[in-house]
Amino acid sequence: EAGVTQFPSHSVIEKGQTVTLRCDPISGHDNLYWYRRVMGKEIKFLLHFVKESKQDESGMPNNRFLAERTGGTYSTLKVQPAELEDSGVYFCASSQWGLAGSEQFFGPGTRLTVL
Amino acid sequence: DQQVKQNSPSLSVQEGRISILNCDYTNSMFDYFLWYKKYPAEGPTFLISISSIKDKNEDGRFTVFLNKSAKHLSLHIVPSQPGDSAVYFCAASPNYGGSQGNLIFGKGTKLSVKP
Repeated sequence: EAGVTQFPSHSVIEKGQTVTLRCDPISGHDNLYWYRRVMGKEIKFLLHFVKESKQDESGMPNNRFLAERTGGTYSTLKVQPAELEDSGVYFCASSQWGLAGSEQFFGPGTRLTVL
Repeated sequence: DQQVKQNSPSLSVQEGRISILNCDYTNSMFDYFLWYKKYPAEGPTFLISISSIKDKNEDGRFTVFLNKSAKHLSLHIVPSQPGDSAVYFCAASPNYGGSQGNLIFGKGTKLSVKP
């Protein structure tokens, strides 16, 4: 069974540019999460999809970030325009159940560097 | 304001001995606690969890202990093996409002097991 995949693995862009990250969850997992780890800090929750609906987007830092999950399959996270502080590793995770304590399966992450 | 704290950034242990990783939390509303292991260039991998109504959960070489009165949990690895060398993240899973399922992570503890 394929795990969670993320594309690209690395992205280097200049401040002000746009970047789109993609996540393909494990097939059949309705719950999809985005997290971000800024260097030296903890992994922080960004948002949670249940199928194509946003269940919780309380972690999104500002309106420069837009997440979508059209059709309830893969998800994209767009940053527009990117700022220096957006640099970090963006993880996607999926789970079958969106309950407290449910195991989440993480992708390898996308390392974003904004210059 | 960190709700989950791992105060030891690193830990070095001899192969065959016990590794004890500690985690403190501030919010008594957390429902579950999970430990994730992370190797470089990979996403976190689920290791073991514990419900807030229990004080111990064991899975092979891994045991998690929860002390609710102290808001403290620990992960014990016995015996430690070189392959256990990784960054270990403590995470809490709240169950209030719309926050079901998302994880609140600590900063991680890097475990090195020396042969």
